[in-house]
Formats: sequence, C-alpha cells, structure tokens
Amino acid sequence: DAKTTQPPSMDCAEGRAANLPCNHSTISGNEYVYWYRQIHSQGPQYIIHGLKNNETNEMASLIITEDRKSSTLILPHATLRDTAVYYCIVRYISSGSARQLTFGSGTQLTVLP
Amino acid sequence: SQTIHQWPATLVQPVGSPLSLECTVEGTSNPNLYWYRQAAGRGLQLLFYSVGIGQISSEVPQNLSASRPQDRQFILSSKKLLLSDSGFYLCAWGNPLDTQYFGPGTRLTVL
Repeated sequence: DAKTTQPPSMDCAEGRAANLPCNHSTISGNEYVYWYRQIHSQGPQYIIHGLKNNETNEMASLIITEDRKSSTLILPHATLRDTAVYYCIVRYISSGSARQLTFGSGTQLTVLP
Repeated sequence: SQTIHQWPATLVQPVGSPLSLECTVEGTSNPNLYWYRQAAGRGLQLLFYSVGIGQISSEVPQNLSASRPQDRQFILSSKKLLLSDSGFYLCAWGNPLDTQYFGPGTRLTVL
C-alpha cells in the first residue's frame, strides 16, 4: 500500500467547511483512497473511499486530483462532534481476501466553537 | 443496515486471569472479521482475521487466540493475561471488497 502524508493538526471553525489534505504521490493505478476518523476513545469510523472520481456521501466529499497524487476530504459544515483524528489510507482492493488496514499518524482536526 | 457489537466496553483484569472478548455482526453474511489492538497513543495492530467459520489467521505470535464459532461471531481469548495485553481491542468486519467497519471497542486494563 502506498505511503500517505497528512498534516499533524488542523483547526476549523464550527459551521465552516473542513478541508483535510492528503498526499499519496506513489499511489498505483489500482489503489483506492480511503478516509477514516477516530473520535477519542471510540473505534475508527469509515467515512468514504474512491479510486479516481470525486465521491460524496452523507458524511463528506472526497476530491482526488487528476494525477491521483493527492486528495482532499471535505466536511461541508463542521460541527464540534467532528473533532477527531482523520486518517487517509491508500490500499488496493483484493476482492474476497482479508488484509490489515494500516493507519498512519493522521490529522487531528479540532473544530472550534 | 449492518451493525457490529462488542462487549464488554471496559474490563479490568488481574495478571494471569483468563480473557474472553466477544464481537457479533448483524445485517451481513460471511463477512471478513478482524481483531485489532491499539495501544495508548499508537496505531492499530492486526491480531487475527477470519474469512469464514473456523478459519483463523494469526498475524502476531502472542498469548492470545481467536475463534469464530458462528458466521457472525468472533471471540478473542487468553488463558493467562499479561500486563502487556492492556489496550483498546477493536473488532471489525469487512465487506466483499474489504472495506472495514469497526466496533466500539473494549478497553482492557491488566493490573
């Protein structure tokens, strides 16, 4: 799985969009970009994933650059409950197999009132 | 929709005592199942995974074991706990494309 680089911390004002960047310059063509978050003392929560097209769900949007070397997770209207460590993970999908999910150090997002 | 349960939520056990943590999944069939451990301030360590009933793969040699007696039940056990077994234990299930969804976790303290 390709290595990812994320800023260690970010702040965001409540109600504003939170834009969390991730660099994955060595991503290969069949690797997906996944985002998880972990709120303090809770299990990690899946947010979204994508291959090359931008993706949106009820939680967030994922914007992947055309060269796929970086991506941005967007929380459109951040709330205090979005304060968490956000992890960007690049991994290939192997249908029918089971593989470890490896979390890096992530970005600590703090939403400020 | 799918849900994953873990219990207990917290556990304090003496060194040398046995351990049994249970994880169950609802709303899906034949999921991949995983046990991870997260030490304080550190990343996730995969302990065991299972692709089917009775099929267990171990990632790290240790005094823990896992079993999958039913399709949606995954159990983590130990006969004698060590101090180093303290941590946050997370169960996860994976869909056919192996997107993994985590349970709420069990915080284990071994004294």
